[in-house]
Amino acid sequence: EPEVTQTPSHQVTQMGQEVILRCVPISNHLYFYWYRQILGQKVEFLVSFYNNEISEKSEIFDDQFSVERPDGSNFTLKIRSTKLEDSAMYFCASREQGAFNYGYTFGSGTRLTVV
Amino acid sequence: RKEVEQDPGPFNVPEGATVAFNCTYSNSASQSFFWYRQDCRKEPKLLMSVYSSGNEDGRFTAQLNRASQYISLLIRDSKLSDSATYLCVVNTNAGKSTFGDGTTLTVKP
Repeated sequence: EPEVTQTPSHQVTQMGQEVILRCVPISNHLYFYWYRQILGQKVEFLVSFYNNEISEKSEIFDDQFSVERPDGSNFTLKIRSTKLEDSAMYFCASREQGAFNYGYTFGSGTRLTVV
Repeated sequence: RKEVEQDPGPFNVPEGATVAFNCTYSNSASQSFFWYRQDCRKEPKLLMSVYSSGNEDGRFTAQLNRASQYISLLIRDSKLSDSATYLCVVNTNAGKSTFGDGTTLTVKP
């Protein structure tokens, strides 16, 4: 079964440092998403990406966050200057083009710990 | 009011029990609906889409009532492996899905 792959599985970083979380979506999927889940809380939408541009973003996705699809396979989330409250599990997801009534396939997540 | 609201739970049931989860959503423009399950510290996994006509997948039955903005999930003959958090998810457009807080189910021997 096709998978969404995320690396690293766990990242520890110091407050103020930049981090890049990486995702390889399923190859024939064209819609990409980042979500986050703070421990013990709900899954929260960050951003959606289609046709090489952001299609929607949440209030959480401020100027400290950016996304990129640098090479046609990877999809990255960058946090420029991490804060303690950025500690969370970050999930990448992808969906088939035109399959609006289909759910997402999520990657296994990157656990980000900011110290 | 939350966009997607679920039964707070937790639900603790014996093996073989039938259990039902409820979910309501606030945006009448919502277009598609899903149930996901999430195991502890794992990613959400799609359980099933929810259609107005209702749909069934083995022991799982999902229902949607657009007029009441209400979604349900029924699990029959619960198994130990059904223990997880069940997430109600609503799409309002192609951009994002909104997740409920989740309802935790524990099935005991």
